[in-house]
Amino acid sequence: GENVEQHPSTLSVQEGDSAVIKCTYSDSASNYFPWYKQELGKRPQLIIDIRSNVGEKKDQRIAVTLNKTAKHFSLHITETQPEDSAVYFCAASNTGTASKLTFGTGTRLQVTL
Amino acid sequence: DTGVSQNPRHKITKRGQNVTFRCDPISEHNRLYWYRQTLGQGPEFLTYFQNEAQLEKSRLLSDRFSAERPKGSFSTLEIQRTEQGDSAMYLCASSLDQTGTRTTNYGYTFGSGTRLTVV
Repeated sequence: GENVEQHPSTLSVQEGDSAVIKCTYSDSASNYFPWYKQELGKRPQLIIDIRSNVGEKKDQRIAVTLNKTAKHFSLHITETQPEDSAVYFCAASNTGTASKLTFGTGTRLQVTL
Repeated sequence: DTGVSQNPRHKITKRGQNVTFRCDPISEHNRLYWYRQTLGQGPEFLTYFQNEAQLEKSRLLSDRFSAERPKGSFSTLEIQRTEQGDSAMYLCASSLDQTGTRTTNYGYTFGSGTRLTVV
């Protein structure tokens, strides 16, 4: 089955700096890679996703890159703000056979003033 | 219908008791998923339904766990003879399978979860 590894487990940045979170996956058949943000005590919320037919996707201050050959994908947050502080999860799935997502272990991002 | 609804939000039960959780998905979503999340970990897949059919179950789902989605709408997750190791947040999510259409959206919408504590 799919295995997703996520690094780092914690990340502290100053407000205004950039943050990068990296994930690797094991199943070359995986073709859908979403990122979720989870604030303390709240539900995971989808913030951006990418499919395997593109290498990069941007949405304002958030971008995701995908390297299919290396089976890596990364989340980039620019101009970080205190409200970006949360736990971020990457995930992977093969939408052709099953829609279940396999999640990484999460990155706790702390944006300090 | 503004999102995925889960009830109860919190459940405290004694070891050995049975518990049942309910999930009401977004009404037009035909896929429904159950996940379990423990502190400091990502959600772990338990099972999913396409309409009323349960299409996949994780090895994590022991014989004490059963899930149903009888009319393809809401779903229930029952845990029999609860153990302390069952303590976790149980998350439900839904999505719309648009396979075969031009526009595909695989994004899940999660509910707020049911936090189970087994004492």
